[in-house]
Amino acid sequence: DGGITQSPKYLFRKEGQNVTLSCEQNLNHDAMYWYRQDPGQGLRLIYYSQIVNDFQKGDIAEGYSVSREKKESFPLTVTSAQKNPTAFYLCASRQGEEKLFFGSGTQLSVL
Amino acid sequence: AQTVTQSQPEMSVQEAETVTLSCTYDTSESDYYLFWYKQPPSRQMILVIRQEAYKQQNATENRFSVNFQKAAKSFSLKISDSQLGDAAMYFCAYRSALHSGAGSYQLTFGKGTKLSVIP
Repeated sequence: DGGITQSPKYLFRKEGQNVTLSCEQNLNHDAMYWYRQDPGQGLRLIYYSQIVNDFQKGDIAEGYSVSREKKESFPLTVTSAQKNPTAFYLCASRQGEEKLFFGSGTQLSVL
Repeated sequence: AQTVTQSQPEMSVQEAETVTLSCTYDTSESDYYLFWYKQPPSRQMILVIRQEAYKQQNATENRFSVNFQKAAKSFSLKISDSQLGDAAMYFCAYRSALHSGAGSYQLTFGKGTKLSVIP
């Protein structure tokens, strides 16, 4: 089945540690996105990528980094510079002009 | 910048009844898209329905329909014959239609409405 796979489902970060969230898609979509969701809030865009080896900052990119070395993969690294990383992270890819497909998310917590 | 407001943090509906979720938005643009997304307890976001601003006809998808009032900048979602599986967070979202490409495909989300369905 085609879809977006995010892993792990739950992730814990220690102080000063970088952690990487995985996002893989087999939908052959060019565009991919990372969103952050805080309790009681809607989604906010962190980074997006239109094509391999290209990505752009979204509204809240500070403290995060991404790479897009393969079409299928768009990993997100939460760096130690992100002082409030506890949140639910959603990856998405886009088909055509309108429809976003979302993964099942990763819940990141700080130990 | 565009903003999306969902004024009802929580709503409840009796099973088989109809419920309407409210959404208003602020924009100076004339062409855009509006969406309703559902986030069940699994937390995966699922597209429920979308509306193109240039279309006057309200979008419908089975039991889900919208009331799009462009002048009032209102985009409410009506769920008919509510089912237990409809219980979820519902998010209204806006996207500008000014540009093409991934860079412009930025959804602005409201804060969501939590819908409970009472058996």
